[in-house]
Amino acid sequence: DTGVSQDPRHKITKRGQNVTFRCDPISEHNRLYWYRQTLGQGPEFLTYFQNEAQLEKSRLLSDRFSAERPKGSFSTLEIQRTEQGDSAMYLCASSDSATNEKLFFGSGTQLSVL
Amino acid sequence: AQTVTQSQPEMSVQEAETVTLSCTYDTSESDYYLFWYKQPPSRQMILVIRQEAYKQQNATENRFSVNFQKAAKSFSLKISDSQLGDAAMYFCAYRSARRWGKLQFGAGTQVVVTP
Repeated sequence: DTGVSQDPRHKITKRGQNVTFRCDPISEHNRLYWYRQTLGQGPEFLTYFQNEAQLEKSRLLSDRFSAERPKGSFSTLEIQRTEQGDSAMYLCASSDSATNEKLFFGSGTQLSVL
Repeated sequence: AQTVTQSQPEMSVQEAETVTLSCTYDTSESDYYLFWYKQPPSRQMILVIRQEAYKQQNATENRFSVNFQKAAKSFSLKISDSQLGDAAMYFCAYRSARRWGKLQFGAGTQVVVTP
């Protein structure tokens, strides 16, 4: 068990650019979650998957955001035409359906939009 | 909509002493789960303790225990025999039993442990 892995740890980009983050969940976990955390706040739910199916998407996610989990393993979160308000830490978590209340989080990707 | 409120931005405690963190929540549901997560400087969220709303008994995990008051919608965390490694941001979180994917977090309480 290597834990939930997120890449990159830090991303600095200019406004208007596209960025993509990757999350590798714990291998046997079939559920995967994305959260966003801004400074001084708790994480906010963005979306979650069971296997490859995206089951819920927050209203926080505008059309510029898209998440995929093509083979039910790793997931990507893409932000198009980034804005300064997108600056935040993006957290990924995973769980298995047998113990779905226990989420294992990664260390996050810190995005700074200049 | 559910909301989770943590009214203490920061709490300070001496080593070996006890500190209690407050959390209140608002919900119209009867079946749900409550959690306390710890976020150290490494940023990784770590589950400290969880409570099922249908259980009357308060959860305990080693030095961590909760006081769950369902009618008052209160869920406090007590850290006993505080250690330097307990210093972190602590988040209270709510999850509906019907919507397993979505955790609702509070704003957090920073715990400072002094020698």
